[in-house]
Amino acid sequence: SQKIEQNSEALNIQEGKTATLTCNYTNYSPAYLQWYRQDPGRGPVFLLLIRENEKEKRKERLKVTFDTTLKQSLFHITASQPADSATYLCALYTGTASKLTFGTGTRLQVTL
Amino acid sequence: KAGVTQTPRYLIKTRGQQVTLSCSPISGHRSVSWYQQTPGQGLQFLFEYFSETQRNKGNFPGRFSGRQFSNSRSEMNVSTLELGDSALYLCASSLTAGQGRNGYTFGSGTRLTVV
Repeated sequence: SQKIEQNSEALNIQEGKTATLTCNYTNYSPAYLQWYRQDPGRGPVFLLLIRENEKEKRKERLKVTFDTTLKQSLFHITASQPADSATYLCALYTGTASKLTFGTGTRLQVTL
Repeated sequence: KAGVTQTPRYLIKTRGQQVTLSCSPISGHRSVSWYQQTPGQGLQFLFEYFSETQRNKGNFPGRFSGRQFSNSRSEMNVSTLELGDSALYLCASSLTAGQGRNGYTFGSGTRLTVV
C-alpha cells in the first residue's frame, strides 16, 4: 500500500541549530513533493516545492532535498528560532492520481 | 488580496444531523479542494472542484458531498453525522486544477465537533 512516513515523535532542538525533518514514502512515484508548515488551529501554509528531477531547493533558511532512489525528502531549517516551532507536513503529488497526499507531520519545538 | 475564507470557524452538531461548510477561494482561483484533518489520520483528501465540476474524489462515504458555484465558492455537506466525523475541515484554493506543481493556499478550517 502507499505510505508517507514522517517522524511522529516531536523534534526538540536548541535555538540556532539546524533542524532536519524526514519524509519517507513507499509505492509512490511523485512528480512533486511539497512541504507545509501548520500552526495549531490553523490551515497548512505552503513553504517549498521540489520536482522529481531536482535534487535540492533553497529558500532563505529553508532547504529541501529529494532522493527518488531512496524515496526520501529531507527538510532543513538552519539557524532555527523559537518562531519556527510548528508542525511540518510533507505532501506528494502524483499526476496519475492528480491529488496531493499528506504525511502525518512532525512537530518541531525550538527552545532558547 | 483576501485569503481563503472558511465559514463557520467552529460548529457543534448532534449525531444524525447534517452540516454544510462553506469556502470562498482567493479571488481569481477556480479550483477548490477539501481535506479532513484528524489527529489519528492526518489530512485526508475529500474532493476537488474546478469550474463547478468535481475532478477528483477521495475514499469517503457518500454522506460526504460537495459542490462549487459559478463564482468558485464551494460548499461541502455531511449528512447523518457520526462521532467520527469530528475533525478540522480544510479548504485549499488554487488557480487551476491539479496544482500539485505550485502549492495550495489553505483556509483556517472549520472545526466540527459531533456530540
